[in-house]
Amino acid sequence: GAVVSQHPSRVICKSGTSVKIECRSLDFQATTMFWYRQFPKQSLMLMATSNEGSKATYEQGVEKDKFLINHASLTLSTLTVTSAHPEDSSFYICSARMVGPSTDTQYFGPGTRLTVL
Amino acid sequence: QKEVEQDPGPLSVPEGAIVSLNCTYSNSAFQYFMWYRQYSRKGPELLMYTYSSGNKEDGRFTAQVDKSSKYISLFIRDSQPSDSATYLCAMEYSGGGADGLTFGKGTHLIIQP
Repeated sequence: GAVVSQHPSRVICKSGTSVKIECRSLDFQATTMFWYRQFPKQSLMLMATSNEGSKATYEQGVEKDKFLINHASLTLSTLTVTSAHPEDSSFYICSARMVGPSTDTQYFGPGTRLTVL
Repeated sequence: QKEVEQDPGPLSVPEGAIVSLNCTYSNSAFQYFMWYRQYSRKGPELLMYTYSSGNKEDGRFTAQVDKSSKYISLFIRDSQPSDSATYLCAMEYSGGGADGLTFGKGTHLIIQP
């Protein structure tokens, strides 16, 4: 159990285009999902918290108009990188909060490698 | 000073050795602590979750938390080549996964056959 998927796993795009990344909890419902970004040899950095049916909460320094987050259902959150630029190239990872009788923690997706040319 | 400090390594040890991985943190508001394993170009996999000072054991893994010293450790016994990965410590202010996590930089571990 506790499987989180991401799609696509890898995307290469031209500068100025928009890219959508999907995060799905496959076998549980997640009212809260998180989006992280990881640059090479750096730690994962939280970008935003996504709550089903409400607006996302962004961390300081993360542009909400550039990184659009939609959490339309209990199993799906999407991150859209708008007008992507080379400096947005990174590894984007989502996590989903799983709540159960004896657990309440985050499970991570496999990540999406974004390369902006 | 970063909130969470972790030596990036690499840490190279022979197969069968006991591995000790550590993190220190500066903010005493952190109450919940996790260790994740991340293989190259993959998402992190949860290994251990603890919230009180002391030890927690799960198979070959032992997580240790010392809140008074703001220091956490992960021990791996009988290390295997398949344990070679990057190990990330993570922590959060409140329990229940309701907050985003603050990660260490990760320690790259190499187990030599």
